[in-house]
Amino acid sequence: DARVTQTPRHKVTEMGQEVTMRCQPILGHNTVFWYRQTMMQGLELLAYFRNRAPLDDSGMPKDRFSAEMPDATLATLKIQPSEPRDSAVYFCASALRGGDTEAFFGQGTRLTVV
Amino acid sequence: AQRVTQPEKLLSVFKGAPVELKCNYSYSGSPELFWYVQYSRQRLQLLLRHISRESIKGFTADLNKGETSFHLKKPFAQEEDSAMYYCALAKTSYDKVIFGPGTSLSVIP
Repeated sequence: DARVTQTPRHKVTEMGQEVTMRCQPILGHNTVFWYRQTMMQGLELLAYFRNRAPLDDSGMPKDRFSAEMPDATLATLKIQPSEPRDSAVYFCASALRGGDTEAFFGQGTRLTVV
Repeated sequence: AQRVTQPEKLLSVFKGAPVELKCNYSYSGSPELFWYVQYSRQRLQLLLRHISRESIKGFTADLNKGETSFHLKKPFAQEEDSAMYYCALAKTSYDKVIFGPGTSLSVIP
């Protein structure tokens, strides 16, 4: 049963620290999304990749967030420095090609910045 | 830019009553539209998409291009339908998928 895997599941960190979240997409999926879920905004798209190339990261605060795909089996989302307002659940999802194909979600990383 | 709105953050209905979760979008073209659901302690998962025109777990959704809406409906709500529901849109077959803010559905026994 192929699944998207995210680590860590929970992260508590102090303001100013670097946070790295990792995602292993489903093998064969060429599209990866990063979303942030908050009570106020719902699911916000932060970035997405196709064939490891970033296509849109306009939803990401550029000064502190960065997203990369070092290889086809790993996507990373980094926050440096982290701030309390970054506290949220971060989801990774992968899809066969995006668009009209189903997006498969990971279980999320619950980040708390104190 | 395209946008998805879900006007109700919370919706409560009694078991057996009809339920409708509203979704409106802003996009001038013909988008791909979806409903995703997140049950308690489970992953967010696809419920249905408009291109397949199918009924999943008794839910249906009709695309109304004139009203730019894609409301989700079920004639008789069940307790197991209690969950968070997200409407989502992609401009093209290969585009990014953006989500609405979500509606939390609570079915009262």
